[in-house]
Amino acid sequence: KNEVEQSPQNLTAQEGEFITINCSYSVGISALHWLQQHPGGGIVSLFMLSSGKKKHGRLIATINIQEKHSSLHITASHPRDSAVYICAASVGGGNQFYFGTGTSLTVIP
Amino acid sequence: NAGVTQTPKFQVLKTGQSMTLQCAQDMNHEYMSWYRQDPGMGLRLIHYSVGAGITDQGEVPNGYNVSRSTTEDFPLRLLSAAPSQTSVYFCASNQGGTNNEQFFGPGTRLTVL
Repeated sequence: KNEVEQSPQNLTAQEGEFITINCSYSVGISALHWLQQHPGGGIVSLFMLSSGKKKHGRLIATINIQEKHSSLHITASHPRDSAVYICAASVGGGNQFYFGTGTSLTVIP
Repeated sequence: NAGVTQTPKFQVLKTGQSMTLQCAQDMNHEYMSWYRQDPGMGLRLIHYSVGAGITDQGEVPNGYNVSRSTTEDFPLRLLSAAPSQTSVYFCASNQGGTNNEQFFGPGTRLTVL
C-alpha cells in the first residue's frame, strides 16, 4: 500500500513544453512537499504547501485538499529541468513523511 | 550556513565490515533522519531523532544503529555490512512544527561487496 502515488513515472519532453507531474495521497497531511533530485545529486526542497498554489520562477505547485491531489507544473521547460521530482506528504508536525517513488523528467533540447 | 553535511560521499565495504556515516547540521533543527534510497523505491526511513538523546526506529532499522549526543550530529552506524545495504544514504533535518521543510545532505553512496 503506497500512501503517495506519482504519475507519470517517466516523462520526456521537448524544450519549451509545459509539463505536469501529478501526486495523489491517501493520508491526512499537514503539508505536501515537492523535491528535486538531479542525476547523482542531492535532494532539494522546491515547495511545501498545505493549500492553494505556490510559484517559484517557472515552477508552480498546486494542491486540492478535498481531492487529496497535488500537481507540479513546469512552464517553458529547459534541459536543466531534467531531474527526478519527488512528492512527499508530511503527517503531523514532526518527522513522519511518506514519499512517492519519483517522476524522472528528461527535457530534450 | 553549511546546512546538512554528510561524509563520506562514497564508500566501498566488504561484507561483515562496520562503519559510521557522519551527518551534521548547523541550523539548530530538532528533527533529524536517515533515509536510504534504492532504485524504484521511495525514500525509506531508517532511524530518526526528535532531539538530542532521543532516537527511534523507522521503517527499515535492521542492521543500523544511531545516536544523538548533540543537536548537530546524527551518525549512522552499520554494524556488520551486508550486500543488501548497498544503497544511497541521505541524512535530513527539519525544525518540526508547522514548518517542517526537510533539508537533505548530499548523500553517501555505499557499496557492500
